[in-house]
Amino acid sequence: SQQGEEDPQALSIQEGENATMNCSYKTSINNLQWYRQNSGRGLVHLILIRSNEREKHSGRLRVTLDTSKKSSSLLITASRAADTASYFCATDYTGANSKLTFGKGITLSVRP
Amino acid sequence: DAGVIQSPRHEVTEMGQEVTLRCKPISGHDYLFWYRQTMMRGLELLIYFNNNVPIDDSGMPEDRFSAKMPNASFSTLKIQPSEPRDSAVYFCASSDPLGQTYEQYFGPGTRLTVT
Repeated sequence: SQQGEEDPQALSIQEGENATMNCSYKTSINNLQWYRQNSGRGLVHLILIRSNEREKHSGRLRVTLDTSKKSSSLLITASRAADTASYFCATDYTGANSKLTFGKGITLSVRP
Repeated sequence: DAGVIQSPRHEVTEMGQEVTLRCKPISGHDYLFWYRQTMMRGLELLIYFNNNVPIDDSGMPEDRFSAKMPNASFSTLKIQPSEPRDSAVYFCASSDPLGQTYEQYFGPGTRLTVT
């Protein structure tokens, strides 16, 4: 399977703390993306990192990519209760022709 | 743009009935994707289109499922006959890779319950 796998499966933190989520994948990729899904909603794109990039920032989000280890991490700094959601990594692997393969997601709970 | 539009938002039907889910992608997007999400299996890609042409339907579970895209602004996913195990949330997404943004834009989903 080409599926990305996230860990942990669930994460509970206090508001203000940082949240770190990890994703591993199996084959060469063009890019890796992170998405958020609030309960009962569709997925929303957060950030994309290309295979030739190592780190990217967007607001309170920081994503890293290690192609040698086939892994990525998403860091959310100074978490807020509104960050409570499920987070998915998605890989656009070489030759996939725009198709994304999603992991099963991480459930993040941020306690006020 | 209003984003990806799906209808209906909720559908409850009896086993054996035909179900049709509808999707309007974002204008100008030339890729359209149909996904199914369940607790057990996560988010699964069923089929995707490029310029209205089906590119990969390997995720379609069986012949009871069919999808069409008659034009750039409309797609349907049909299940006939429906079974209880088809109960899931079905998402439609669109993207515009030629714009150099590979992100997918998801609709709100259709929650299907087959009794």
